[in-house]
Amino acid sequence: SYELTQPPSVSVSPGQTASITCSGDKLGNNYVCWYQQKPGQSPVLVIYQDSMRPSGIPERFSGSNSGNTASLTISGTQPVDEADYYCQTWDNSTVFGGGTRLTVL
Amino acid sequence: QLQLQESAPGLVKPSETLSLTCTVSGGSISDNTYNWGYIRQPPGKGLEWIGGIFYSGTSVYNPSLRSRVTMSVDTSKNQFSLKVRSVTAADTAVYYCARQMWLRFLDVWGKGTTVTVSS
Repeated sequence: SYELTQPPSVSVSPGQTASITCSGDKLGNNYVCWYQQKPGQSPVLVIYQDSMRPSGIPERFSGSNSGNTASLTISGTQPVDEADYYCQTWDNSTVFGGGTRLTVL
Repeated sequence: QLQLQESAPGLVKPSETLSLTCTVSGGSISDNTYNWGYIRQPPGKGLEWIGGIFYSGTSVYNPSLRSRVTMSVDTSKNQFSLKVRSVTAADTAVYYCARQMWLRFLDVWGKGTTVTVSS
């Protein structure tokens, strides 16, 4: 079965740029999306189709996908962005990455 | 706006069948742009897609759960349902329902419901 690998944790200082990676075999051949999940809340879609932002998602969230790696970038990270982030793709089944805990400190 | 609401018993005994229903409001489940999915999250762990179903009744399941899972849709009630058979403690999780764009991204989620498997 297809697997997506994310780093367990990423730390960033407020105002700096955070980058979260998601790796999978030939991942660039498939669309990737990203979800933000805060404690006790449902996931929220922040990026779809590699780099598209849903309505209401701040412009500081961006995404890319090429080769074997997709990335979620948060520019000018704010304390409110502290959350778990999950990448997701489709390969005969919807597949999630293991999640990355983003700490803003 | 579109809302999804899960309903399920909070406690299920081992070896029994877990049944969940998701009610869609503010939109039609018969919109063929989307399918409807279930996702679960064990305590302290990541997300796992269980499966998705189209309003026609066509369903697709996670291969790791396919042997124990059945989804169905009731367009007259704007609901879709999930059954997980022969549950064990490993099926304890928060269960979410969500709208999915043709088995790709999940853009509207329910609040989730906690299901515990225990005797």
